[in-house]
Amino acid sequence: NAGVMQNPRHLVRRRGQEARLRCSPMKGHSHVYWYRQLPEEGLKFMVYLQKENIIDESGMPKERFSAEFPKEGPSILRIQQVVRGDSAAYFCASSLDKNTEAFFGQGTRLTVV
Amino acid sequence: QQQVKQSPQSLIVQKGGIPIINCAYENTAFDYFPWYQQFPGKGPALLIAIRPDVSEKKEGRFTISFNKSAKQFSLHIMDSQPGDSATYFCAASVNRAGKSTFGDGTTLTVKP
Repeated sequence: NAGVMQNPRHLVRRRGQEARLRCSPMKGHSHVYWYRQLPEEGLKFMVYLQKENIIDESGMPKERFSAEFPKEGPSILRIQQVVRGDSAAYFCASSLDKNTEAFFGQGTRLTVV
Repeated sequence: QQQVKQSPQSLIVQKGGIPIINCAYENTAFDYFPWYQQFPGKGPALLIAIRPDVSEKKEGRFTISFNKSAKQFSLHIMDSQPGDSATYFCAASVNRAGKSTFGDGTTLTVKP
């Protein structure tokens, strides 16, 4: 049973470009969480999604960031017009339901140059 | 406002020593307190977790101590090994939800 799969593992974007980060949850998991980890800091919650629904986006920046989890396919975290401050590791986690343990993927390291 | 404060930021011990990492929280609604271990380039992996109705939990060489009245909890690693060298994060959530509040992490180095 494969774990949470994130791709790409590393992504380099120039300022002003768009970044798309993908997350395939563990088999059978329909709850997905995105976190951002800045260098030397802990993980900061961004958004919680269930299939086709955003449940909690209290940690998402108001502009340029969006997330989706369609009925078919992976969850996508999209960052438009990236800036240097977006450089970070972005982690996805998935769980079977809202009150069970969430398992993390290996992350996508975004570098904005 | 940070809701989970973790200390120390870094820790160096000799092999066999017992590193202790401390966390304090503010939100009394939190009822699930996991610890994660993260190696460079990897995602966080759950190590051990505790609920506030228990004061201590042990799994192998890892022990969590929990003080509900002080809103503090700590991780002890017995007989530490060089392979334990990693970054450790405490976290807190409500109902074991995937939405957790993390501490800033402790980088542990265990010297041979």
